[in-house]
Amino acid sequence: QLQLQESGPGLVKPSETLSLTCTVSGGSISSSSYYWGWIRQPPGKGLEWIGSIYYSGSTYYNPSLKSRVTISVDTSKNQFSLKLSSVTAADTAVYYCARHPAYGDPWDAFDIWGQGTMVTVSS
Amino acid sequence: EIVLTQSPDFQSVTPKEKVTITCRASQSIGSSLHWYQQKPDQSPKLLIKYASQSISGVPSRFSGSGSGTDFTLTINSLEAEDAAAYYCHQSSSLPLTFGGGTKVEIK
Repeated sequence: QLQLQESGPGLVKPSETLSLTCTVSGGSISSSSYYWGWIRQPPGKGLEWIGSIYYSGSTYYNPSLKSRVTISVDTSKNQFSLKLSSVTAADTAVYYCARHPAYGDPWDAFDIWGQGTMVTVSS
Repeated sequence: EIVLTQSPDFQSVTPKEKVTITCRASQSIGSSLHWYQQKPDQSPKLLIKYASQSISGVPSRFSGSGSGTDFTLTINSLEAEDAAAYYCHQSSSLPLTFGGGTKVEIK
């Protein structure tokens, strides 16, 4: 059974770079059938898609964050990663990684999610 | 960007009642609308995809309908375990977006 697990620092200082990794187990990240995405949720608020990546390295970002976001994939480690630069308190959120099928019309639902990791931006 | 507007924001319901949550898109998205359930301190769980397609393992009391700009999630005969926030999500175009959520409380 495929599982996703986020990892990374729970506290980041303002203006620094938030870095998270999602480890995929029980399946291969190199499958041509899926995209791998990051979604975040500020405390008490709704969900925001950050971006997604294909195993080949093709990336798709939310324009609202595009200037600060980099998503990368490491197929040898079965992981994909998120970097968000120049963070502020507004970036405090639970960050989820999730899978979505690549054969959507044109995109698909997020069918498997990680448990999420809370990241607080504070000095 | 496609904006999804959910209503109501909050609903307090007694067990066995029927719950209806609506999601309106700012432009037509065909049937590329999905529903998630999020219980406190848990990650979202996919309930319905492509407006009305059921998901394996999800109780049959959950159903979805709609197309174009107006969509509905229905919970027939609400159970105590259904207390959660429910979100719609569109995958018609980038950026992928979510509705603001509907919190369902059990009376």
